[in-house]
Amino acid sequence: SQKIEQNSEALNIQEGKTATLTCNYTNYSPAYLQWYRQDPGRGPVFLLLIRENEKEKRKERLKVTFDTTLKQSLFHITASQPADSATYLCAPRDSNDYKLSFGAGTTVTVRA
Amino acid sequence: EAQVTQNPRYLITVTGKKLTVTCSQNMNHEYMSWYRQDPGLGLRQIYYSMNVEVTDKGDVPEGYKVSRKEKRNFPLILESPSPNQTSLYFCASSFLAGEAYNEQFFGPGTRLTVL
Repeated sequence: SQKIEQNSEALNIQEGKTATLTCNYTNYSPAYLQWYRQDPGRGPVFLLLIRENEKEKRKERLKVTFDTTLKQSLFHITASQPADSATYLCAPRDSNDYKLSFGAGTTVTVRA
Repeated sequence: EAQVTQNPRYLITVTGKKLTVTCSQNMNHEYMSWYRQDPGLGLRQIYYSMNVEVTDKGDVPEGYKVSRKEKRNFPLILESPSPNQTSLYFCASSFLAGEAYNEQFFGPGTRLTVL
C-alpha cells in the first residue's frame, strides 16, 4: 500500500538557523510533490509544488528538493523566524490520480 | 474574497443522530474533497468530486456519504455517526486542469465530537 512518512518528531530550532524536514514515500510514482503549511486549528495552506523532473525549487526562504531515486523530498526553511512555527505537510501525487494523500506532518518551533 | 466555507465549525452530537456538514466554495472550482485529520495520522481523504454528480471514494469512506448537486457545494453526510468519527474535518477545492489541481484550497475545519 502507499505510504508517506515525515519526520516523526517535532523540530525545535533557534531563530536564524535552517530547518530541514523529510518526506519519504513508498508505492508512489509521483509526478508532483506538494508542500503545505498548517497553523493550529486552521486549514492547510499551499506553499510549493515540485515536479518529478525538477531537482530543486525555491520560494523566498523556502527550498524543496525532490529525489525520485531515493523516493524522498526535503523541505528547508532558511534563516528561520518564529513566524515559521507551524506544521508542514507533504503530499506526493501520481499524475493520473485524483485522490490526494498527505503525510502526518512535522511540527516546527522556532525559538527567538 | 475567494474562500472555502464550512458549517458548522464545531459540533457535538450523539451516536446515531444523522448530521450534515456543509462545504461551499466561491472560486468555480471543479474539484472538491473532504478530509479528516486525527493526531498522528495526518489528513486522510474521505471522498472527492471531480464535478457535479461525479464523486469517488478516498482512503477512508466508510460511514460517510457525499453529494454534488451544484458545483459550489459539497456536503458531507454522516447517516449514523459513531464515536470513532470524532475528528477534525476539512473541505478542500481546486481547479482540475493540469497543475492547478496541485493547489488545494482548504476550509477552516469542522471539529466534530460524537458522544
